[in-house]
Formats: sequence, C-alpha cells, structure tokens
Amino acid sequence: EADIYQTPRYLVIGTGKKITLECSQTMGHDKMYWYQQDPGMELHLIHYSYGVNSTEKGDLSSESTVSRIRTEHFPLTLESARPSHTSQYLCASSEFGRGSSNEQFFGPGTRLTVL
Amino acid sequence: AQTVTQSQPEMSVQEAETVTLSCTYDTSESDYYLFWYKQPPSRQMILVIRQEAYKQQNATENRFSVNFQKAAKSFSLKISDSQLGDAAMYFCAYRRGGGADGLTFGKGTHLIIQP
Repeated sequence: EADIYQTPRYLVIGTGKKITLECSQTMGHDKMYWYQQDPGMELHLIHYSYGVNSTEKGDLSSESTVSRIRTEHFPLTLESARPSHTSQYLCASSEFGRGSSNEQFFGPGTRLTVL
Repeated sequence: AQTVTQSQPEMSVQEAETVTLSCTYDTSESDYYLFWYKQPPSRQMILVIRQEAYKQQNATENRFSVNFQKAAKSFSLKISDSQLGDAAMYFCAYRRGGGADGLTFGKGTHLIIQP
C-alpha cells in the first residue's frame, strides 16, 4: 500500500544534541515537503524539494537542513537542538506536473520536545 | 505573498446538523488551488476537498461541499449531517498553480461535534 512514513513519532532530547527526522514515501512522488506545526496548531512550510538533489527553503526560516539523495527519502536534520525547536514536524509529498491532482499526502508527524 | 485567514478558532455543532467553516484568502495569482484538510486529534492530516480556481462549479465530496466565491476570495466549507467522526481541526490551504510550492495554511478551526 502506497503511503508516507515518519520516524520517530515522538522524540524527547536534550539541548545541543544532533537529531535527524526521517521521512519516506512509497508513492514515487517527485515533490516532498516539511512543515512545522507549532503548539497553537499553525502550520508553516520550512523546506521543500522538486526531486533528487533539489532542496529549497520554505516560508518560515528554520535552522534545520534537509537532503534528497533518493526520490523516496527526505530527512530533516537539526545539528544542535534547542528548546525553541520543540514542535510537531509534518512531512508531505505530491505529484509534479500540471496534470497532477496537486493533493499533498501527509505523514503522521514527529512530535519533538527539546529539554 | 498569499495569505489565508480562518476567522473561527472554534465551532460547535449538534450531531446531524449542518455547519459552515469560513476561509478567506488573498492572492494576486489567477492560477491556484484551494483545499480543506482535516487533522483529527493525534492522527494524520487528510484532504477533505479541493477546488481549482479556474472551475466555477463548487466542489462536493459526499457530505462536504464548498462555496467558492472567487471575486470575494472566499472559500467556505459546509459539512452536512455532522457526525462524531467529523470532530477535528480543519485547515484551509492555498497553493499556487504550476509550481512545486508548498501549501499556505490558515490557522485552523477546531470543530466540536455535540452528541
């Protein structure tokens, strides 16, 4: 079954640690996205990718970085976690092209808490 | 830059009744898409309904329908015969047509279903 996966689902970590949030999709979608959802539930785009070796910054400035070495995989890394990074991170993917549905499919999210 | 405004932080409706969630947006683009996404508590974000800006006909999906007023830049969601499973955060979202841009979300409306 085609789907989009995120691991871990929950992460509690101390300040200064390096973390990587994983996102994988089995739908063969070219476009992938990372959104940050703050405790007030507001969602902001922080990174996106058109395809392999393509990464772009989103609307909200973020200290995180992303990579896209394989179509199905779009990990997000924080080199040094801080309490201000505490949030839920949602990964999404969609088809690319004017004939596509433009629907974005979302993963279950990673809830990150930095102490 | 485009913006999406949801003016109702919370709405409550009796089971089996009809409720309308409001959304307005601002854009200078002529080619765009509008979406309503549903995020149940601790569960995955899913698409409820989609509207292409070039289509005059309002989209419908079973009990869900939209009232798309392009000139007024309004995109409301009507839920008929409300069910307990409809309880969730509802997000209105905008996406520019033709590109790989991510979604611009409103702040969300928390929908409560009263049994």
